[in-house]
Amino acid sequence: AQSVSQHNHHVILSEAASLELGCNYSYGGTVNLFWYVQYPGQHLQLLLKYFSGDPLVKGIKGFEAEFIKSKFSFNLRKPSVQWSDTAEYFCAVIPPYSSASKIIFGSGTRLSIRP
Amino acid sequence: GAGVSQSPRYKVAKRGQDVALRCDPISGHVSLFWYQQALGQGPEFLTYFQNEAQLDKSGLPSDRFFAERPEGSVSTLKIQRTQQEDSAVYLCASSLGWEAEGETQYFGPGTRLLVL
Repeated sequence: AQSVSQHNHHVILSEAASLELGCNYSYGGTVNLFWYVQYPGQHLQLLLKYFSGDPLVKGIKGFEAEFIKSKFSFNLRKPSVQWSDTAEYFCAVIPPYSSASKIIFGSGTRLSIRP
Repeated sequence: GAGVSQSPRYKVAKRGQDVALRCDPISGHVSLFWYQQALGQGPEFLTYFQNEAQLDKSGLPSDRFFAERPEGSVSTLKIQRTQQEDSAVYLCASSLGWEAEGETQYFGPGTRLLVL
C-alpha cells in the first residue's frame, strides 16, 4: 500500500547533538512534502514544506530537510538540538493527483532531548 | 490572529451515544479538513470541504460518521452510536484553499473523544 514511513518511533538525544529523522514515501510522480511538529500540549504546526525548486528546504527553528527523489526520502535534520525541541514530529505527503489537498501522515517520531 | 478552534476539547461518551464536534476555521479560509488521530499514530484524513461543498469523504470510516459545513464556515463532525474504536483525537484544519501547491493547513487543538 502507498504510505509514508517514519522508521524511528522514539529518538533520545542529548542537547547539542545532531538530529536526523528519516521519512520515506511510496508515491510515484510529483508529491508535496511536509514536516509537522507537535510540542507537548500544543497544536500541530508546520515546520517546513517542499513542493518544487531547491531540494534542500529550510524551516523554522533551525530545521531543514532534503528531498531526494531517487530515494523517495525527505529526512529532517538539525545540526544542534535543544531541550525545547522535545516534541512529536510527523512527516507528511500530499500524493500526486490528489483530488484535494488531503495530507497523508506518517506515524510520527517522538523526540526526547536530555538537558 | 485567531487560529482554528475546536470544541469541546474533551468528550467522554457512553457507547451508543451520539456526539457532535465543532470546528471554527480561520476566518476567510475556504478549505476545511477533518482528521482522526488514534493513540500513537499520525492523523488520518476523514473528509474535506471547499466552502459548503463536501468534496471528499473517502476517509470516513463508516456511515455513522457525518460532517457538514452548511454556511461554508463552521463545521460539525457528528458520530452516531459511538463505539469504543471511535476513541481518538479529532483534528480540524483549514487552509486558504486557492489550490496553490503545498498550501499550508493550519490545525486546531483537537477534540479528544473517549468512548466508554
